[in-house]
Amino acid sequence: NAGVMQNPRHLVRRRGQEARLRCSPMKGHSHVYWYRQLPEEGLKFMVYLQKENIIDESGMPKERFSAEFPKEGPSILRIQQVVRGDSAAYFCASSPPETSGGRDTQYFGPGTRLTVL
Amino acid sequence: AQSVSQHNHHVILSEAASLELGCNYSYGGTVNLFWYVQYPGQHLQLLLKYFSGDPLVKGIKGFEAEFIKSKFSFNLRKPSVQWSDTAEYFCAVNGGGYNTDKLIFGTGTRLQVFP
Repeated sequence: NAGVMQNPRHLVRRRGQEARLRCSPMKGHSHVYWYRQLPEEGLKFMVYLQKENIIDESGMPKERFSAEFPKEGPSILRIQQVVRGDSAAYFCASSPPETSGGRDTQYFGPGTRLTVL
Repeated sequence: AQSVSQHNHHVILSEAASLELGCNYSYGGTVNLFWYVQYPGQHLQLLLKYFSGDPLVKGIKGFEAEFIKSKFSFNLRKPSVQWSDTAEYFCAVNGGGYNTDKLIFGTGTRLQVFP
């Protein structure tokens, strides 16, 4: 039973380029969350999505950041025109639907470490 | 505002010592509480969780945590640590009940265990 998959594990971008991070939730999970971990800090919530819907994006920066979870395929976190301050570890988590009885335990992927030069 | 405080930023212990990591939260209403562990170079793994019922929760690898509602605390304990427990530990909270609310994390506690 595969866990949450994220790729790439490491991503290096120059300032001004685009970064695209992918997340495949655990099988049967319909909720995806993105978190960012800056150096020496805890994880900060960014966005919560269900298939084809953004449920809560209260943690997303207003500009340059976007996320989607299409009907088919992985969830994508896109960062346009990256800046050095975007360097961080980006973690994806998934949880089962409410009807499954799994309540709301979130299972995390290995993260993508983004470095902006 | 919703928040989680972990007062111990860095803890250093010898093997066989007892461990207690503090976690206090500020959150209106009922809560779900979690401890996650991040071993060096690895992703976050769930250690234990509290949803309701018995406030003393037992998790994997000999860890346990106690929910004390009056103190808004959910401290993590282990009677005898091992070198392999060296990791970063995160306390997290979200809204109670059957919901899918985002997690609020503490800043983490780095535990180093020396043989």
